Amino acid sequence: EPEVTQTPSHQVTQMGQEVILRCVPISNHLYFYWYRQILGQKVEFLVSFYNNEISEKSEIFDDQFSVERPDGSNFTLKIRSTKLEDSAMYFCASSETGYGNTIYFGEGSWLTVV
Amino acid sequence: GENVEQHPSTLSVQEGDSAVIKCTYSDSASNYFPWYKQELGKGPQLIIDIRSNVGEKKDQRIAVTLNKTAKHFSLHITETQPEDSAVYFCAAANDYKLSFGAGTTVTVRA
Repeated sequence: EPEVTQTPSHQVTQMGQEVILRCVPISNHLYFYWYRQILGQKVEFLVSFYNNEISEKSEIFDDQFSVERPDGSNFTLKIRSTKLEDSAMYFCASSETGYGNTIYFGEGSWLTVV
Repeated sequence: GENVEQHPSTLSVQEGDSAVIKCTYSDSASNYFPWYKQELGKGPQLIIDIRSNVGEKKDQRIAVTLNKTAKHFSLHITETQPEDSAVYFCAAANDYKLSFGAGTTVTVRA
Protein backbone atom coordinates (compact mmCIF):
# COMPACT_ATOMS: atom_id res chain seq x y z
CA GLU A 1 0.00 0.00 0.00
CA PRO A 2 1.43 3.43 -0.90
CA GLU A 3 2.54 5.48 2.05
CA VAL A 4 3.91 8.85 3.01
CA THR A 5 7.52 8.57 4.15
CA GLN A 6 9.36 11.05 6.36
CA THR A 7 12.99 11.61 7.33
CA PRO A 8 14.52 11.91 9.81
CA SER A 9 12.44 10.02 12.33
CA HIS A 10 14.09 11.93 15.15
CA GLN A 11 16.31 15.01 15.20
CA VAL A 12 17.88 16.89 18.06
CA THR A 13 18.99 20.43 17.30
CA GLN A 14 20.31 23.42 19.18
CA MET A 15 18.13 26.47 19.61
CA GLY A 16 18.67 28.92 16.76
CA GLN A 17 19.74 26.29 14.27
CA GLU A 18 17.99 25.62 10.98
CA VAL A 19 16.17 22.33 10.50
CA ILE A 20 14.83 20.71 7.35
CA LEU A 21 12.29 17.91 7.61
CA ARG A 22 11.77 15.83 4.51
CA CYS A 23 8.78 13.98 3.15
CA VAL A 24 7.95 11.87 0.14
CA PRO A 25 4.17 12.06 -0.41
CA ILE A 26 2.19 9.32 -2.13
CA SER A 27 3.14 9.46 -5.78
CA ASN A 28 -0.17 10.38 -7.45
CA HIS A 29 -1.19 12.87 -4.77
CA LEU A 30 -1.37 16.55 -5.58
CA TYR A 31 -2.00 18.15 -2.18
CA PHE A 32 0.59 18.16 0.58
CA TYR A 33 0.39 19.19 4.21
CA TRP A 34 2.39 19.62 7.37
CA TYR A 35 0.85 19.15 10.78
CA ARG A 36 2.49 19.13 14.17
CA GLN A 37 1.72 17.60 17.56
CA ILE A 38 3.29 18.99 20.68
CA LEU A 39 3.57 16.26 23.32
CA GLY A 40 0.20 15.69 24.96
CA GLN A 41 -1.64 18.17 22.74
CA LYS A 42 -3.86 18.09 19.66
CA VAL A 43 -2.55 17.55 16.17
CA GLU A 44 -2.44 21.04 14.62
CA PHE A 45 -2.54 22.13 11.00
CA LEU A 46 0.47 24.12 9.79
CA VAL A 47 0.25 24.47 6.03
CA SER A 48 -1.19 23.06 2.83
CA PHE A 49 0.57 23.14 -0.53
CA TYR A 50 -0.77 22.67 -4.04
CA ASN A 51 0.54 23.44 -7.49
CA ASN A 52 3.86 24.63 -6.08
CA GLU A 53 2.41 27.20 -3.76
CA ILE A 54 0.94 27.49 -0.30
CA SER A 55 -2.84 27.22 -0.44
CA GLU A 56 -3.48 27.81 3.24
CA LYS A 57 -1.46 28.29 6.41
CA SER A 58 -2.23 28.60 10.09
CA GLU A 59 -1.12 31.34 12.47
CA ILE A 60 1.56 28.95 13.74
CA PHE A 61 3.22 29.00 10.32
CA ASP A 62 5.08 32.29 10.70
CA ASP A 63 8.10 33.65 8.86
CA GLN A 64 10.37 31.10 10.55
CA PHE A 65 8.70 28.32 8.57
CA SER A 66 8.85 27.60 4.87
CA VAL A 67 7.90 24.73 2.60
CA GLU A 68 9.28 23.65 -0.72
CA ARG A 69 8.85 20.97 -3.32
CA PRO A 70 12.42 20.92 -4.67
CA ASP A 71 11.79 18.10 -7.16
CA GLY A 72 9.02 15.82 -8.32
CA SER A 73 8.97 13.66 -5.22
CA ASN A 74 10.14 15.50 -2.11
CA PHE A 75 8.28 17.98 0.04
CA THR A 76 10.21 19.78 2.77
CA LEU A 77 9.51 21.86 5.85
CA LYS A 78 12.24 24.27 6.92
CA ILE A 79 12.40 25.96 10.30
CA ARG A 80 14.89 28.80 9.97
CA SER A 81 15.84 29.48 13.56
CA THR A 82 14.47 26.89 15.92
CA LYS A 83 12.99 27.76 19.30
CA LEU A 84 12.42 25.52 22.30
CA GLU A 85 8.68 25.64 21.63
CA ASP A 86 9.21 24.13 18.17
CA SER A 87 9.87 20.78 19.85
CA ALA A 88 7.11 18.54 18.56
CA MET A 89 6.27 15.66 16.26
CA TYR A 90 5.88 16.96 12.71
CA PHE A 91 3.65 15.00 10.37
CA CYS A 92 3.67 15.23 6.62
CA ALA A 93 0.46 14.26 4.84
CA SER A 94 -0.89 14.10 1.33
CA SER A 95 -4.16 13.68 -0.52
CA GLU A 96 -5.12 12.96 -4.09
CA THR A 97 -7.33 16.00 -4.33
CA GLY A 98 -7.96 18.74 -1.79
CA TYR A 99 -11.45 19.45 -0.70
CA GLY A 100 -12.85 16.69 1.51
CA ASN A 101 -10.47 14.07 0.21
CA THR A 102 -8.83 11.39 2.33
CA ILE A 103 -5.60 12.62 3.89
CA TYR A 104 -2.84 10.11 4.58
CA PHE A 105 -0.19 10.80 7.21
CA GLY A 106 3.42 9.80 7.49
CA GLU A 107 5.02 8.31 10.61
CA GLY A 108 6.28 11.69 11.76
CA SER A 109 9.59 13.39 12.51
CA TRP A 110 10.22 14.01 16.17
CA LEU A 111 12.07 17.31 16.62
CA THR A 112 13.74 18.13 19.92
CA VAL A 113 15.16 21.62 20.31
CA VAL A 114 17.66 21.99 23.18
CA GLY B 1 -12.18 28.58 12.92
CA GLU B 2 -13.36 25.05 13.53
CA ASN B 3 -13.29 23.69 17.09
CA VAL B 4 -13.60 19.96 17.67
CA GLU B 5 -14.31 18.57 21.12
CA GLN B 6 -13.78 14.86 21.85
CA HIS B 7 -14.96 12.72 24.75
CA PRO B 8 -13.97 10.78 26.72
CA SER B 9 -10.24 11.45 27.01
CA THR B 10 -9.65 7.89 28.25
CA LEU B 11 -11.71 4.76 27.83
CA SER B 12 -11.08 1.33 29.30
CA VAL B 13 -13.18 -1.58 28.04
CA GLN B 14 -13.22 -5.31 28.54
CA GLU B 15 -12.20 -7.35 25.52
CA GLY B 16 -15.29 -8.14 23.49
CA ASP B 17 -17.25 -5.11 24.70
CA SER B 18 -18.04 -2.06 22.59
CA ALA B 19 -16.29 1.30 22.71
CA VAL B 20 -17.93 4.60 21.78
CA ILE B 21 -16.14 7.92 21.26
CA LYS B 22 -18.07 11.13 20.65
CA CYS B 23 -17.07 14.38 18.98
CA THR B 24 -18.75 17.70 18.42
CA TYR B 25 -17.75 20.40 15.97
CA SER B 26 -18.54 24.09 15.72
CA ASP B 27 -18.42 24.99 12.03
CA SER B 28 -21.63 24.04 10.24
CA ALA B 29 -19.74 24.25 6.91
CA SER B 30 -17.59 21.22 7.83
CA ASN B 31 -18.44 18.30 5.60
CA TYR B 32 -15.71 15.72 6.02
CA PHE B 33 -15.15 13.76 9.23
CA PRO B 34 -12.31 11.23 9.43
CA TRP B 35 -11.22 9.10 12.36
CA TYR B 36 -7.58 8.26 12.92
CA LYS B 37 -5.89 5.66 15.10
CA GLN B 38 -2.45 6.48 16.46
CA GLU B 39 -0.19 3.89 18.03
CA LEU B 40 2.77 4.89 20.13
CA GLY B 41 5.51 6.54 18.08
CA LYS B 42 3.58 6.30 14.82
CA GLY B 43 1.61 8.65 12.63
CA PRO B 44 -2.20 8.87 12.55
CA GLN B 45 -3.68 6.06 10.50
CA LEU B 46 -7.07 6.61 8.87
CA ILE B 47 -9.55 3.98 10.01
CA ILE B 48 -12.83 5.32 8.66
CA ASP B 49 -14.27 8.57 7.35
CA ILE B 50 -17.69 9.96 6.59
CA ARG B 51 -18.94 12.81 4.48
CA SER B 52 -21.85 15.07 5.27
CA ASN B 53 -24.20 13.52 2.74
CA VAL B 54 -24.11 10.23 4.68
CA GLY B 55 -25.51 9.61 8.16
CA GLU B 56 -23.79 6.34 8.96
CA LYS B 57 -20.97 4.21 7.63
CA LYS B 58 -19.73 0.80 8.70
CA ASP B 59 -16.56 -1.16 8.03
CA GLN B 60 -16.45 -4.54 9.78
CA ARG B 61 -16.24 -3.81 13.53
CA ILE B 62 -16.04 -0.05 13.10
CA ALA B 63 -18.94 2.30 12.47
CA VAL B 64 -19.30 6.06 12.41
CA THR B 65 -22.49 8.09 12.73
CA LEU B 66 -23.00 11.75 11.87
CA ASN B 67 -25.71 14.12 13.02
CA LYS B 68 -25.29 17.35 11.08
CA THR B 69 -28.16 19.09 12.81
CA ALA B 70 -26.61 18.56 16.23
CA LYS B 71 -23.06 18.87 14.87
CA HIS B 72 -21.80 15.69 16.42
CA PHE B 73 -20.34 12.43 15.19
CA SER B 74 -19.37 9.22 16.90
CA LEU B 75 -17.09 6.22 16.47
CA HIS B 76 -18.32 2.80 17.51
CA ILE B 77 -15.98 -0.18 17.83
CA THR B 78 -17.69 -3.50 18.48
CA GLU B 79 -16.16 -6.73 19.78
CA THR B 80 -13.03 -4.92 20.92
CA GLN B 81 -9.69 -6.72 20.78
CA PRO B 82 -6.36 -5.97 22.49
CA GLU B 83 -4.98 -4.61 19.20
CA ASP B 84 -7.65 -1.90 19.30
CA SER B 85 -5.74 -0.29 22.17
CA ALA B 86 -4.45 3.06 20.85
CA VAL B 87 -5.22 6.77 20.77
CA TYR B 88 -8.16 7.65 18.53
CA PHE B 89 -8.62 11.11 17.02
CA CYS B 90 -11.67 12.56 15.37
CA ALA B 91 -11.32 15.45 12.93
CA ALA B 92 -13.48 17.77 10.89
CA ALA B 93 -12.78 19.70 7.71
CA ASN B 94 -14.53 22.06 5.35
CA ASP B 95 -11.55 22.90 3.22
CA TYR B 96 -7.97 21.71 2.96
CA LYS B 97 -7.26 21.49 6.64
CA LEU B 98 -8.29 19.08 9.33
CA SER B 99 -9.16 20.27 12.83
CA PHE B 100 -8.50 17.48 15.31
CA GLY B 101 -10.06 16.55 18.60
CA ALA B 102 -7.81 16.06 21.62
CA GLY B 103 -7.81 12.28 21.32
CA THR B 104 -9.17 9.32 23.29
CA THR B 105 -6.81 6.76 24.78
CA VAL B 106 -8.55 3.41 24.47
CA THR B 107 -7.35 0.48 26.55
CA VAL B 108 -8.81 -2.95 25.90
CA ARG B 109 -8.45 -5.22 28.94
CA ALA B 110 -7.91 -8.90 28.23
